Order: sequence, then C-alpha cells, then structure tokens
Amino acid sequence: KNEVEQSPQNLTAQEGEFITINCSYSVGISALHWLQQHPGGGIVSLFMLSSGKKKHGRLIATINIQEKHSSLHITASHPRDSAVYICAVRGQGGSEKLVFGKGTKLTVNP
Amino acid sequence: GAVVSQHPSWVICKSGTSVKIECRSLDFQATTMFWYRQFPKQSLMLMATSNEGSKATYEQGVEKDKFLINHASLTLSTLTVTSAHPEDSSFYICSARPYLGGGSYGYTFGSGTRLTVV
Repeated sequence: KNEVEQSPQNLTAQEGEFITINCSYSVGISALHWLQQHPGGGIVSLFMLSSGKKKHGRLIATINIQEKHSSLHITASHPRDSAVYICAVRGQGGSEKLVFGKGTKLTVNP
Repeated sequence: GAVVSQHPSWVICKSGTSVKIECRSLDFQATTMFWYRQFPKQSLMLMATSNEGSKATYEQGVEKDKFLINHASLTLSTLTVTSAHPEDSSFYICSARPYLGGGSYGYTFGSGTRLTVV
C-alpha cells in the first residue's frame, strides 16, 4: 500500500464545475504539498500545508492532520485547469524527501 | 522567483551512449537538489539527493555508477546517465528548495527531461 493515496485517479468535469481531489497518507508528516503537472511534464508547486487551509485564486487546499487527509478544491473549473494533480508529503524529523501520490488526472471539458 | 532551469527538455540517444542532464537554480542558491524519475502513469520516484560539494545520496536500488550526479556549485547539479539502455527511457526531473523566508523552505521543480534510448 502506498504511503500516499489519491482519489480519484481520473476525473472529467464540465467547465464551471466545482472539483475536489482527495489525498490520504499513512505516516506522520511535517508538510503536505499539492503539485500540478502539465502534459509536457513540468511541475508547478501549488500549495504547501502543515495545517488548516490555504487559498490561491480559484484553488483551495485543506488539511486535517488528525485524520491524515487533505483535499484540493478548484472552483469554477476551466479547461486550462486540465492537468495531473499530485499530492506529496514530507516526513517528520527534518526529512527533506517528498513521497508522492500517483496523481489525479483532471480533464475539464468546455 | 525561485526558478530551476532544466536542460535538455528532451533527448534521444543510442543505446550505450551517455547523456547529461543539467539543472540550474537561476535566482537562488541550492545546496541540495533532488533527482526524480517518472515512468508513464507512475508517481515520481526519488533517485538521489545531490549535495553541493559532497557525494550524492542515492535511494535504494538506484545504481550510483550508472546515474552519476555532480553538484559542483550552489547553482548547478548534473545527472549523467551512463551507458544508457532502453529501460532507462523515462522522464527525469530535478527539484530544489528555495528559502521562502521566516524559516520556511519551498520546493521548486525543473521542467523535466524526457529521455528516449533507442
């Protein structure tokens, strides 16, 4: 079993829909990251969370440390949001290593 | 800010040859860089941690003599795939940890290199 599990694996939505991607992890963490990988492969860091909630434009990320769960929400989705969204966690004890989920492929249709 | 430039973005090479991939931190100093490999429809897997001025730390199962890492300056790390074989064909991506202030470090990624060995 992966230390980081994402759901769903694939998600298709219509433009304007509210999107939720979930991430569960099984280890103690110091931080959780949400990343966006575009078809060309490049990766952009969206959020780094250790508690609570963060918002950037139409993107919202939340984390519940007790439940070892995080969600990424996209409001008013747009075709340009189509990408793979990856959840990654960093362990405790000063570790710099990230452990990645397999990603959620989001397709937003016009 | 906090950009990591990775080159080349794609490369095709013949089996048995070596390929060098470069990652440069453009506007910050990176004492540590990370090298990942990603196979199709798989998650990123850490190959090694590159430390400026010292030997890289390789993850279990990664051949250090095959994947040579050099981190000779605070802004440049290179990964050389030696004697490449078709099974080395993959997407390679680096990342570094820029200082964000307030004792916090982030992660920034290169654009990746798609290696095809024929």
